[in-house]
Amino acid sequence: DIQMTQSPPSLSASVGDRVSITCRASQDIYNSVAWYQQKPGKAPTLLVEAASRLGPGVSSRFSGSGSGSHYTLTISSLQPEDSATFYCQQYYNSPFNFGQGTKLEIK
Amino acid sequence: EVHLVESGGGLVKPGGSLRLSCTASGFNFSSYTMTWVRQAPGKGLEWVSSIDHSSHYLYYVDSVRGRFTISRDSAKDSLYLQMDNLRVEDTAIYHCARVSIAVAVQSGLASWGPGTLVTVSS
Repeated sequence: DIQMTQSPPSLSASVGDRVSITCRASQDIYNSVAWYQQKPGKAPTLLVEAASRLGPGVSSRFSGSGSGSHYTLTISSLQPEDSATFYCQQYYNSPFNFGQGTKLEIK
Repeated sequence: EVHLVESGGGLVKPGGSLRLSCTASGFNFSSYTMTWVRQAPGKGLEWVSSIDHSSHYLYYVDSVRGRFTISRDSAKDSLYLQMDNLRVEDTAIYHCARVSIAVAVQSGLASWGPGTLVTVSS
């Protein structure tokens, strides 16, 4: 099974800051990674897939990068509405595991 | 607009069974891989099972293989999850989700339902 190790588990930043969240896969997943945002009590929404392709209607403040086994979600110019938990997921091989999540707090 | 709605959750005793349904609308259901993802109270997301658009490829997480069965009925635009021999640790909100790319076996999960709560307790 491919394990997805996500870091940091939590993050606190201010409006206007730029932050990055990292996922490291236990093997090469050939850009088969997606990133999701989940707000309390809501279903997740797709931010990025195929490592760097923005989901439909997603703000350009979000971007994905990486290759091989190392991937990053970057949020530029943080806004109050970005407060949420973020997850990565690999879809290269079953089981299509998620990372453990990163809880982002806006100061 | 893509719309997914789950139903069938509830309270069940350990060892019991439930059948979850997910009704889809707003897209050509028969062209997309569908997935179940669950989230235990206060925990992260866990991928549970996926079925490709033609029902040729079925995938399960190890912890549910042999107890859960995923299926779909394109005539009814519906996805199902038959859950047997339920355990306390299966307690979670169960979401159905649709991949972003038609005919792809897997891609990002672009559309999600709000979920249905399954509680396994004696």
